[in-house]
Amino acid sequence: DTGVSQDPRHKITKRGQNVTFRCDPISEHNRLYWYRQTLGQGPEFLTYFQNEAQLEKSRLLSDRFSAERPKGSFSTLEIQRTEQGDSAMYLCASSPGMNYGYTFGSGTRLTVV
Amino acid sequence: AQTVTQSQPEMSVQEAETVTLSCTYDTSESDYYLFWYKQPPSRQMILVIRQEAYKQQNATENRFSVNFQKAAKSFSLKISDSQLGDAAMYFCACLPSASKIIFGSGTRLSIRP
Repeated sequence: DTGVSQDPRHKITKRGQNVTFRCDPISEHNRLYWYRQTLGQGPEFLTYFQNEAQLEKSRLLSDRFSAERPKGSFSTLEIQRTEQGDSAMYLCASSPGMNYGYTFGSGTRLTVV
Repeated sequence: AQTVTQSQPEMSVQEAETVTLSCTYDTSESDYYLFWYKQPPSRQMILVIRQEAYKQQNATENRFSVNFQKAAKSFSLKISDSQLGDAAMYFCACLPSASKIIFGSGTRLSIRP
């Protein structure tokens, strides 16, 4: 197992375009989390899944954001009509269950120009 | 609401010396877990140490140890025999039971050779 994988590593997009990020968690982990991190700040929670069920969404996750985890395996995070304020590092993490620390991926750095 | 506060944006330590990073947290939950994560420049976050709130004994991992003061809601990280590879952002984090991890804003640690 190679850990948590995220693709792409970097994405530059024009304002108004849609972008989609992918996360492949550790295979035996049933929980998957998305966080957003801006420069010099700690990660902020966006949403998480247990298997294929999305259990919680942050108020940070506006209507332009949507996440899925079909079949409880990989997950995608889509941002529609991107804005400059969406520029950030998007981190994915997974865990084997409640009350465990998370294993993070390397993140996807989004730049909206 | 759960909060994690790191009051030291930056710290510096001489190589081979000991440094302590401070963290306070606030949660209404009686059952929770505390973590320190390390994020080297342009690299992924890795778990340094984990503490269960119901355990009075402070966690240790090689050169890393914590001072957990439950009544004061304080959770500091001590790094002994600092090495150049310890240079990174360090995030304190709290996981209330059955919820998601909340991170502090981080402390940037630099090591002077």
